[in-house]
Amino acid sequence: NAGVTQTPKFQVLKTGQSMTLQCAQDMNHEYMSWYRQDPGMGLRLIHYSVGAGITDQGEVPNGYNVSRSTTEDFPLRLLSAAPSQTSVYFCASGRLAGTEQYFGPGTRLTVT
Amino acid sequence: AQSVTQLGSHVSVSEGALVLLRCNYSSSVPPYLFWYVQYPNQGLQLLLKYTTGATLVKGINGFEAEFKKSETSFHLTKPSAHMSDAAEYFCAVSDTGNQFYFGTGTSLTVIP
Repeated sequence: NAGVTQTPKFQVLKTGQSMTLQCAQDMNHEYMSWYRQDPGMGLRLIHYSVGAGITDQGEVPNGYNVSRSTTEDFPLRLLSAAPSQTSVYFCASGRLAGTEQYFGPGTRLTVT
Repeated sequence: AQSVTQLGSHVSVSEGALVLLRCNYSSSVPPYLFWYVQYPNQGLQLLLKYTTGATLVKGINGFEAEFKKSETSFHLTKPSAHMSDAAEYFCAVSDTGNQFYFGTGTSLTVIP
């Protein structure tokens, strides 16, 4: 099993550009989530999904969109990148909501 | 919303000494509790978890943690630190809802 995979590993965007961060898992997990990690702030939840077709907002959803058309994939879209979105983004999945989550390797995003 | 407090953003111990990383949480219902470790430029890896049952839980790499409901704490310990334990450690709480709440992390340095 590959576990949770994320692409790309690194990305540099200009302010106002849009892009999609990809996340996939091969563990047949129902629950998937996106976090951003900033120095001194731990991990903050952006969006999550409890199953295909179901998504909801986390703590810091503004400026991001998600969709969950399949169990395996949970892409995160930045609509119009801003320097405040410079961060490391982690995707995670879990068998069910509330159970342990398995993390991908992360995407380091810089917005200039 | 839950809150998770990790006392001490940086902890230094000598090799062979006791490791103690502190975590307190707020929860009105019995929580699920987790400790994750993050090595540089990597994703988060589950160290151990508490869901129900025995309040002293053992994890990987010789770590253990004790759930103390009366103190709303879930401190992480290891009897003897090893150089390879140097990493960032995160405490997380799930209240059996759909969200995980992470602490801001503790960076552990092991001094040879």
